[in-house]
Amino acid sequence: LAKTTQPISMDSYEGQEVNITCSHNNIATNDYITWYQQFPSQGPRFIIQGYKTKVTNEVASLFIPADRKSSTLSLPRVSLSDTAVYYCLIRMDSSYKLIFGSGTRLLVRP
Amino acid sequence: GAVVSQHPSRVICKSGTSVKIECRSLDFQATTMFWYRQFPKQSLMLMATSNEGSKATYEQGVEKDKFLINHASLTLSTLTVTSAHPEDSSFYICSARRGASTDTQYFGPGTRLTVL
Repeated sequence: LAKTTQPISMDSYEGQEVNITCSHNNIATNDYITWYQQFPSQGPRFIIQGYKTKVTNEVASLFIPADRKSSTLSLPRVSLSDTAVYYCLIRMDSSYKLIFGSGTRLLVRP
Repeated sequence: GAVVSQHPSRVICKSGTSVKIECRSLDFQATTMFWYRQFPKQSLMLMATSNEGSKATYEQGVEKDKFLINHASLTLSTLTVTSAHPEDSSFYICSARRGASTDTQYFGPGTRLTVL
């Protein structure tokens, strides 16, 4: 299974841009990179998914270099409500499962 | 967007009793549903995968006779924790996917189980 590695925690301040990088060295050719957000006592919420280069939606951007061995989730101008755990996952073409790693605990301070 | 609901949102039961948790996809048909468990301050752990009309596939270390999963329709999957014990107390979360393996998985809000 493709394993992901991301920082355990990050701190930021309101209004700043936050970039969370995830490593996935053994990603396979047809795998996708997916990010979820989870608040305490809630189910994860889908943020963004990408295969290569850059993907942007109303919430975030996802940057994926050519070798696809890492990806960076970019949250523009974070607010206090963005304090959450962010999970980077590999959606494998060969499997239907999503295996969660430890995630990154983001704390946004006023 | 796709909505997944769970019922109940929280349940407290006595040790030795069984508890059923429902997971429903409200606005789409879910070919596959997943059940996760999450302990405090930990990540989600996949317990099992269920496909409509077939037996669930359990992850290694998950007792299939203790965690009964039924996926009787394209919009409903149930998880029954049989003979619950305090160590089964956890946050149980389901997710659902429409069809292809590349489809987005949508998660339910979770069910907090406390076994006394």
